[in-house]
Amino acid sequence: DTGVSQNPRHKITKRGQNVTFRCDPISEHNRLYWYRQTLGQGPEFLTYFQNEAQLEKSRLLSDRFSAERPKGSFSTLEIQRTEQGDSAMYLCASSLRPGPNEQFFGPGTRLTVL
Amino acid sequence: AQKITQTQPGMFVQEKEAVTLDCTYDTSDPSYGLFWYKQPSSGEMIFLIYQGSYDQQNATEGRYSLNFQKARKSANLVISASQLGDSAMYFCAMEGWSGGSNYKLTFGKGTLLTVNP
Repeated sequence: DTGVSQNPRHKITKRGQNVTFRCDPISEHNRLYWYRQTLGQGPEFLTYFQNEAQLEKSRLLSDRFSAERPKGSFSTLEIQRTEQGDSAMYLCASSLRPGPNEQFFGPGTRLTVL
Repeated sequence: AQKITQTQPGMFVQEKEAVTLDCTYDTSDPSYGLFWYKQPSSGEMIFLIYQGSYDQQNATEGRYSLNFQKARKSANLVISASQLGDSAMYFCAMEGWSGGSNYKLTFGKGTLLTVNP
């Protein structure tokens, strides 16, 4: 399978715990995005990378959130001291420039904070 | 900043009929791209169709076509010959290009399409 993969698919954690999600983009794609989707809403942009450089972060990304993309390959999104409001689907997408910025999405990681 | 408005929370269509899903947008960017994605109950976002703001012709991809009316800032999705497998959530999204690193997608709230047999 050469699509975008995300792990884990589901994560249940207790409030206050740290969680880390992984995204493996399509191999030749140099852009990688993280979005968050809550119930009944469209995805909201969190951050994106071009190769290993994190070029933009949304205001939604509080200090408890950190994302990395070492070596410009896979990416990790860490949430520290999780809160119930962090419960959402976290989507990763990748794209290849040049051309229209068609983003290919992974299956998402559904986070539930108890 | 970009904004996408999808005014139809839910739509119903009979199998084999055509359906139009509405999308209006607002942006100050001189150039932009408009996208439609499908999200089945499994959760994965599936790219359907793309329209660039300077494209002269409306985009088509198989049974999907995008009715782009730039002056009205609308980018409606038309699905012809609906199939049961088309039942899903549909999101309109845009990407603005203002010379900066604005490559993120801004999504609407979506329209839940149900295809009846």
